[in-house]
Amino acid sequence: DTAVSQTPKYLVTQMGNDKSIKCEQNLGHDTMYWYKQDSKKFLKIMFSYNNKELIINETVPNRFSPKSPDKAHLNLHINSLELGDSAVYFCASSLEGVANEKLFFGSGTQLSVL
Amino acid sequence: DAKTTQPTSMDCAEGRAANLPCNHSTISGNEYVYWYRQIHSQGPQYIIHGLKNNETNEMASLIITEDRKSSTLILPHATLRDTAVYYCIVRVVVADKLIFGTGTRLQVFP
Repeated sequence: DTAVSQTPKYLVTQMGNDKSIKCEQNLGHDTMYWYKQDSKKFLKIMFSYNNKELIINETVPNRFSPKSPDKAHLNLHINSLELGDSAVYFCASSLEGVANEKLFFGSGTQLSVL
Repeated sequence: DAKTTQPTSMDCAEGRAANLPCNHSTISGNEYVYWYRQIHSQGPQYIIHGLKNNETNEMASLIITEDRKSSTLILPHATLRDTAVYYCIVRVVVADKLIFGTGTRLQVFP
């Protein structure tokens, strides 16, 4: 079974549309994250949630709204998509409260905004 | 911003040891050094981490200098499947996040 799974793997859409990316982890972790990897391959954290509560929000536009229905899921909803939103989005999870915890990443969702 | 500097790229012959250096001269006493890698089109994968002692696991070894200002990731017998971008990261524990730099692109050749 995949530890951190994201859907869809590919997402192609028009500017102005609203789309969602889903993420689920079956590791029993407390903390989940969204990272964005742009065309230059820089990986940047966007959000982190711990037990359904927002912990980190890295000045991401409010068009991006993460939603955590339970600690095993962290979905990313994006309103009014823009060309600059095109990137690969990675979900990750970790066990909270451990100083040397490690992150487990999903395989990514490649978003292309046309 | 990332707190580490790494060479942009390295080559290694298959079967040889790959030694990937990382500088983290501003590391704090309670910050760990983490290594992740990203194989093309996949999510980053955890490799190893350490605080001040050298560490070894089934994937690699991590050598941290005594002053903790630099470290080296060692893949003892590189294979073609080890071709990837390797990220050295200093963990900002309080902020609970990993900050990725630009990494080292390791190319293993036959």
